[in-house]
Amino acid sequence: GNSVTQMEGPVTLSEEAFLTINCTYTATGYPSLFWYVQYPGEGLQLLLKATKADDKGSNKGFEATYRKETTSFHLEKGSVQVSDSAVYFCALSEVQGNTPLVFGKGTRLSVIA
Amino acid sequence: NAGVTQTPKFRILKIGQSMTLQCTQDMNHNYMYWYRQDPGMGLKLIYYSVGAGITDKGEVPNGYNVSRSTTEDFPLRLELAAPSQTSVYFCASRRGEDTDTQYFGPGTRLTVL
Repeated sequence: GNSVTQMEGPVTLSEEAFLTINCTYTATGYPSLFWYVQYPGEGLQLLLKATKADDKGSNKGFEATYRKETTSFHLEKGSVQVSDSAVYFCALSEVQGNTPLVFGKGTRLSVIA
Repeated sequence: NAGVTQTPKFRILKIGQSMTLQCTQDMNHNYMYWYRQDPGMGLKLIYYSVGAGITDKGEVPNGYNVSRSTTEDFPLRLELAAPSQTSVYFCASRRGEDTDTQYFGPGTRLTVL
């Protein structure tokens, strides 16, 4: 079946450091790919998405490129801030769309000043 | 636009009690979901619905029941609460295409003592 694998956390970075959170997937067909973010005490919210190969999703300085050849959707940010401290979830949606999103286990990011 | 709303925000139950967690969305989405998130863990799908009158089990349905009589509402019923059901519960909704964003409610924090 379809699956999403994220790098284990927690990840601790100093402010202004470069961030990469790895995400790889297994899927039949060409799924849509998502990154969701969960700030402390809140629900998940969409950070960015990409719906076809080579698409780049971007938002709030974060980027991720849909790489079909490596089945990856790594999240990157050039300079993290304390306010980026959160849990990040990678997810995929099957092409049919009528099955639930498949989520990774989440990666906790802590940014220290 | 309120999005996905959940009530209550917090609840403490005694073992064996029952309760209903309410979830409403005002986006006319076909698909709705219930997840639980244990401390420091990822999301686990409890139940989902692809439309009014249609529900299906997720990964961890035991001890829960759902109904979907309208497009807007998707209540989650806990019968005979157990300490293992202590968790944060999130409701979510999605229009239904594979490229669509999934929207989450703010969560209900439930403690069973």
